Formats: sequence, structure tokens, C-alpha cells
Amino acid sequence: DIQMTQSPSSLSASVGDRVTITCRASQSISSYLNWYQQKPGKAPKLLIYDASSLQSGVPSRFSGSRSRTDFTLTISSLQPEDFATYYCQQSYSTPPVFGQGTRLEIK
Amino acid sequence: QVQLVQSGAEVKKPGASVKVSCKASGYTFTSYDINWVRQATGQGLEWMGWMNPNSGNTGYAQKFQGRVTMTRDTSISTAYMELSSLRSEDTAVYYCARDVPKYCSGGRCSRAYDYWGQGTLVTVSS
Repeated sequence: DIQMTQSPSSLSASVGDRVTITCRASQSISSYLNWYQQKPGKAPKLLIYDASSLQSGVPSRFSGSRSRTDFTLTISSLQPEDFATYYCQQSYSTPPVFGQGTRLEIK
Repeated sequence: QVQLVQSGAEVKKPGASVKVSCKASGYTFTSYDINWVRQATGQGLEWMGWMNPNSGNTGYAQKFQGRVTMTRDTSISTAYMELSSLRSEDTAVYYCARDVPKYCSGGRCSRAYDYWGQGTLVTVSS
């Protein structure tokens, strides 16, 4: 199975900060990488698919990029509603493994 | 609007089975696969398997092979996930999610879960 490693596992930041979360695949997955946001007690929400495509209705402060097997989720200016846990997921092969998650907390 | 509505919380004893339902509305149920993902308290997301509601074809994570069964009733646009031989480690929130193709090229499609159910808490306790 492909392994997905996210870093950091947790992060403290302030409203207005620029934040970057990284996900590394254990082998090439092309751009078959999704990002989800999950708030406590809620289902995950799709933010980014195909490494850099913004899902409909998601604010433009969210963006994604790829460099070979390294993927980045960037939030350009943190808003109060962005404090949540973020997961990457590869859709290149079965099983579609998720990263272990990055918890974004208020500083 | 697209919705996936799951059945309510369950409490089961070790060794029992649980069947969770996921009722789809707002789109053609047979057009997209349904996947199941679970999450133990305070833990990450774990993929369990997929089902094609049109054909009934399924694929399961190796970890759950022999214990999980995914089915559907197209007449009521509902998918089901049954997990048997429950143990305490199966205590988790179980989610269904609509799996949609995003970009297709050369016979391969990227995929993502664009709609999720609200989750069903399954507690396994003696």
C-alpha cells in the first residue's frame, strides 16, 4: 500500500497567518491527491482535489501544490473558521489511504 | 441538494454484527460509487471499502475482508455497510461518502469524496 505522511501533526497559528501543511507519498501518485478539512463532530469536507484544484464553494485562500511526491496545502490568511484537522488522501491506487492528519489550533 | 443521511447510533456486544444505512438524495443514486470510512475517537480516517450502486460490485480493504459486506437497495437509494464479529476496536464513527471521478485520462480517473454522511457512532461494549 502507498503510505501518506503528513507534517506537522499539529500546528498553532493566529488569525491572518499564512499556513502550510505537507503530505508526502511513499511512491509516485502523480497528482492524485485530495485534501479534506474536518471540524470536531463533523464529517470531512473536500477542499482540494487533483493536488491543486479547488472544490466548488471552497474559499480561494485555500490552495494546493505538488512537487514530485510532496504535496502542500496552503491557507493564505487564516480565518477563525479554518481551525480544524486537515487530511490528505491519495486516489492513485486502492486502498485510497489517508494521511494521519494535521490539527490546526489557535495560538 | 445532494444529501447522504445515515442511520442512528448503535451499541453492540462483542461478537455481534451491525448494519449501517446511508440514504442518498438529490442525485441519481446509481451514478456514483459509495465508499465507507471509519474514525475511532481521536484518531484518523480509515478507508473500509467501496460499492458500485449500479452493479453491486464491491471492493474491501484487506483488513476487513471476511467481516464487512456492502450492499444496496436501489429502490430506496440506500447503501448499507454490515460489519460482523465486532470487537471493542471497532468502536468508531462510520461514514459513507460519495466517490466521484474528477479527471480522467488514459483510462484512469482521479477520484474524491465530495459528499459525506453525518456519521454513525457504533459502540462495541460488553
